Amino acid sequence: QSVLTQPPSASGIPGQRVTISCSGSSSNIGSNFVYWYQQLPGTAPRVVIYRDNQRPSGVPDRLSGSKSGTSASLAISGLRSEDEADYYCVTWDDTLSGPVFGGGTKLTVL
Amino acid sequence: QVRLVQSGAEVKKPGASVRVSCKASGYTFNTFGIVWVRQAPGQGLEWLGWISAYNGDTNYAQRFRDRLIMTTDTSTSTASVELRSLTSDDTAVYFCARCPATYPYDHGGQYFLDYWGPGQLVTVSS
Repeated sequence: QSVLTQPPSASGIPGQRVTISCSGSSSNIGSNFVYWYQQLPGTAPRVVIYRDNQRPSGVPDRLSGSKSGTSASLAISGLRSEDEADYYCVTWDDTLSGPVFGGGTKLTVL
Repeated sequence: QVRLVQSGAEVKKPGASVRVSCKASGYTFNTFGIVWVRQAPGQGLEWLGWISAYNGDTNYAQRFRDRLIMTTDTSTSTASVELRSLTSDDTAVYFCARCPATYPYDHGGQYFLDYWGPGQLVTVSS
């Protein structure tokens, strides 16, 4: 059972906007930056959002991050087939004194 | 370009130890940290710990603190992690990743992982 809660799956059709949530508490999301990682099948993860809402170079602006209180979200607009992947949120947990990953969300593009 | 190279798959018996290595190139090794993350078959990502390649400071995930050791060798730009007392639950792909943190107080830096190794499968089976 992960400290951060993500829905196990999400789906959408091409062109649609989908949102993936990540729920935590005051000791993690509520007081630390959230990062999001995308993991394509059979590959290592890559960071797509850092510091709640910043995009690394090379990540399309169709992906955006937000945070409110003890929850964070990753939004993907203009959904494309190449967005089909597993997505993980991660943040620091003050109680555990270390980073914790969410359980991951498998995004399917129908 | 930045590269992290890991060794081939290993098979270990329960109770044994495993050492996984990660050789870095394409950047100044001792100006970054290394994080280890694992992924059990069909499961999510799990952060194991961080080590500073600058001064050897470490931060291990609580549940592994009694059987995990991370080291770096700046002469060969290699990071290693040793996990003892293996059980079948330790069967996973072990990834190394570069991070900007070189001091323990840089919390965000310990999970900002910009370059990853390809992963190394460790199978624990009798």
